[in-house]
Amino acid sequence: DTGVSQNPRHKITKRGQNVTFRCDPISEHNRLYWYRQTLGQGPEFLTYFQNEAQLEKSRLLSDRFSAERPKGSFSTLEIQRTEQGDSAMYLCASSSGTSAGELFFGEGSRLTVL
Amino acid sequence: RKEVEQDPGPFNVPEGATVAFNCTYSNSASQSFFWYRQDCRKEPKLLMSVYSSGNEDGRFTAQLNRASQYISLLIRDSKLSDSATYLCVVNRSGGYNKLIFGAGTRLAVHP
Repeated sequence: DTGVSQNPRHKITKRGQNVTFRCDPISEHNRLYWYRQTLGQGPEFLTYFQNEAQLEKSRLLSDRFSAERPKGSFSTLEIQRTEQGDSAMYLCASSSGTSAGELFFGEGSRLTVL
Repeated sequence: RKEVEQDPGPFNVPEGATVAFNCTYSNSASQSFFWYRQDCRKEPKLLMSVYSSGNEDGRFTAQLNRASQYISLLIRDSKLSDSATYLCVVNRSGGYNKLIFGAGTRLAVHP
């Protein structure tokens, strides 16, 4: 399978714990995005990487959230001191420079904070 | 006010029906426009791009009115397999795909 891969697929944690999600994009894609989706809503943009550079962060990404793409390949999204409001599906997507408007999404990592 | 607004539905239609979804966007600097489809508990996937001249892909027709900041999607001869959530999407950035999604309109096609 050469699509976008995310893990873990599901994470249940207690409030105050740290969690980390990993995304492996399509190998030839240099652009990587993180989105968050809650029930009944569309995906909300969190952050964007071009290669290893994080070029944009949404105001939704509080200082408890950090994302990295150290070698321009896989990416991690860490949430520190989780809160119940962080419960959501975290979607990773990738694209090439030529795929105008087409993001290829992974199946997501569902976070439940108790 | 959200940047991309859609009627949440659900739209419940019989097979063979024609159904239309509408969407408005607030940022006049938006560069390009799309419809994505999201099946239940699945990831969103690109359905089609939307152009001012209107474009058609089989049973699907998309239209953009930049002056009114309005986007539409028409589905003709609905199939059971069309049941999904349809997300209206605008690309705010000219440099990369910073896609802003609407909340989606749910479609349920019944026999």
